[in-house]
Formats: sequence, structure tokens, C-alpha cells
Amino acid sequence: DGGITQSPKYLFRKEGQNVTLSCEQNLNHDAMYWYRQDPGQGLRLIYYSQIVNDFQKGDIAEGYSVSREKKESFPLTVTSAQKNPTAFYLCASSELGGRQPQHFGDGTRLSIL
Amino acid sequence: GESVGLHLPTLSVQEGDNSIINCAYSNSASDYFIWYKQESGKGPQFIIDIRSNMDKRQGQRVTVLLNKTVKHLSLQIAATQPGDSAVYFCAESSNAGGTSYGKLTFGQGTILTVHP
Repeated sequence: DGGITQSPKYLFRKEGQNVTLSCEQNLNHDAMYWYRQDPGQGLRLIYYSQIVNDFQKGDIAEGYSVSREKKESFPLTVTSAQKNPTAFYLCASSELGGRQPQHFGDGTRLSIL
Repeated sequence: GESVGLHLPTLSVQEGDNSIINCAYSNSASDYFIWYKQESGKGPQFIIDIRSNMDKRQGQRVTVLLNKTVKHLSLQIAATQPGDSAVYFCAESSNAGGTSYGKLTFGQGTILTVHP
């Protein structure tokens, strides 16, 4: 079945450590996104990419980095500069253009040790 | 800034009743709206979408109504079942400026609880 796979499901970060969250899609979508969700809140956009080797900052990009070397992959690195990284991270993909629904993976929950 | 919000943070209904979840938006340039369902520990699941050139769209057991005059969106779920219990989010986007990317702005969500 086509879909979006995020791994790991749970991740723990030590002080000063960078961690990378994986996102893979086999929907052949050009656009991919990373969101952060905090308890009781909606989703906030971290980064998005419309094409391989290109990506743009979202609303809360500070302390995060991404790469888009392959169409199907869009990993997110949470750097040590992100002082409040504990959250639920969601990856999504969509076809290009406006008015396209985004389809989500099942998320990675990041916690601080 | 522009925002999307919900009138009711929680909604409790009995199994078999119809549910209505409301959403207000403030961006007059919004031209595309989506409803998502999110179960605990999972990612949002697409339910239904609607473009601004429509007032109503129906899916399986769900109907979305759009009132552009008062910038209001609603999701109606017919014959609500316990499996419908989840958090429901509305999201909106606009293509103002002619860009090909439609950024989604999400509301905070409404918790729907269905009692058997």
C-alpha cells in the first residue's frame, strides 16, 4: 500500500545531541512537509520541500534542519540549538500546487532524557 | 496574523446521533479547506476537502459546509459511531500571490467523544 513511513516511533535525545527523524513516502508526491505538534495544539510547519534539492523554512524552523536528496525521502534533524524539542513530529506529502490535501505519517514522539 | 480556530474544543454525543464540528477562519483569501481526523498516537487522516467555489460537499457519512460570508466551516458526521471518537482539525490554505504552494494553517482541534 502507498503511504508515508516515519521512524522511529519514539526517540530520546540527550543534552547537546542532534537527532534525525526519518520520513519516506511511496506516493510519488513532489511536495513534503514537517510539522511539530504540541499537546492540545494544532500543527505548526517547520520545513517544506517542493522538489528534490530544494526546501524552504516554515513558521518555526529555528533549531531544525532538513535535506531532500531523493524524491521519496525528507529527513528532519533536530539540533542541539532547539531548546524545547519535546513534541510529536509529523511528516506529510502532497502533489504539487495549491488545493491539494496533505497526507500524513503516524509521527515520531521525541522526548528529552 | 491569519488564523483558523474552532468554536468548541470538546463535543460529546451519543452513538447514532449526528455530530457537527465548527471552524472559523479569518483569512479572506482562503480558497481551500480540509478536515482531518486524528486518533491518539497517530497522524492526521484526511476526511474531506472543499474549494471556495463550493458551499457544500458530501462524502461517506460526512458533509462539509462552507459559508464564505461569515468565514465559517463545519463538518457534519451522520450516525456517529464510537470509532469516530478522535480529534478533528480544520485547515485552510490560500493561493494568494500566485505561488504553487498552498500552505496549510491548522486550527487547534475539537475532541469528539461518542458514547455507546
